[in-house]
Amino acid sequence: SYVLTQPPSVSVAPGKTARITCGGNNIGSKSVHWYQQKPGQAPVLVIYYDSDRPSGIPERFSGSNSGNTATLTISRVEAGDEADYYCQVWDSSSDQGVFGGGTKLTVL
Amino acid sequence: EVQLVESGGGLIQPGGSLRLSCAASGFTVSSNYMSWVRQAPGKGLEWVSVIYSGGSTYYADSVKGRFTISRDNSKNTLYLQMNSLRAEDTAVYYCARDSCSGGSCWFDPWGQGTLVTVSS
Repeated sequence: SYVLTQPPSVSVAPGKTARITCGGNNIGSKSVHWYQQKPGQAPVLVIYYDSDRPSGIPERFSGSNSGNTATLTISRVEAGDEADYYCQVWDSSSDQGVFGGGTKLTVL
Repeated sequence: EVQLVESGGGLIQPGGSLRLSCAASGFTVSSNYMSWVRQAPGKGLEWVSVIYSGGSTYYADSVKGRFTISRDNSKNTLYLQMNSLRAEDTAVYYCARDSCSGGSCWFDPWGQGTLVTVSS
């Protein structure tokens, strides 16, 4: 089955840019989706189809995907962005969803 | 407003069965792909199962043969029947509506989750 690899943690100072990576074999050929999950809450979609933002998600959130790495970029990081972030793809060969292990974003 | 509300979780002994429900409002379950995703305590997200609008169903290898996804169109509700439960099935179970395009699917929105604890 397809495997997605995320760093366990990323730290960033307020106002700076955070980049969270998601690695996978030729992931650039797939569409990657990203979720934010705060403690005790359900996940929320923040990026879909590599770089599209759902309504209500700030423009500070952006995504890219190429080669073996997809990246979620959060600009001008705020304290409220502190959360776990998960990447996800759909494995159409097996009709299964696949999640990365998650990255804990800490705002210093 | 699109909303999903799960119910049916609880404490169950190993080997037991439980049925989770996910009541939808603001859209029609049968016209959408719907998934279950779970999260063990302190762990990451794990996709569990999907039911397509046409009725086809698919499962994670970890639950295949033990879990069954279904829906009741008259109640606009999604279900997950869980049999032969194991300690490793302990998790918060979320239902989510799938959106798909170009052969890829993502999950939005999600319900608030229901906790299943498998323990003697």
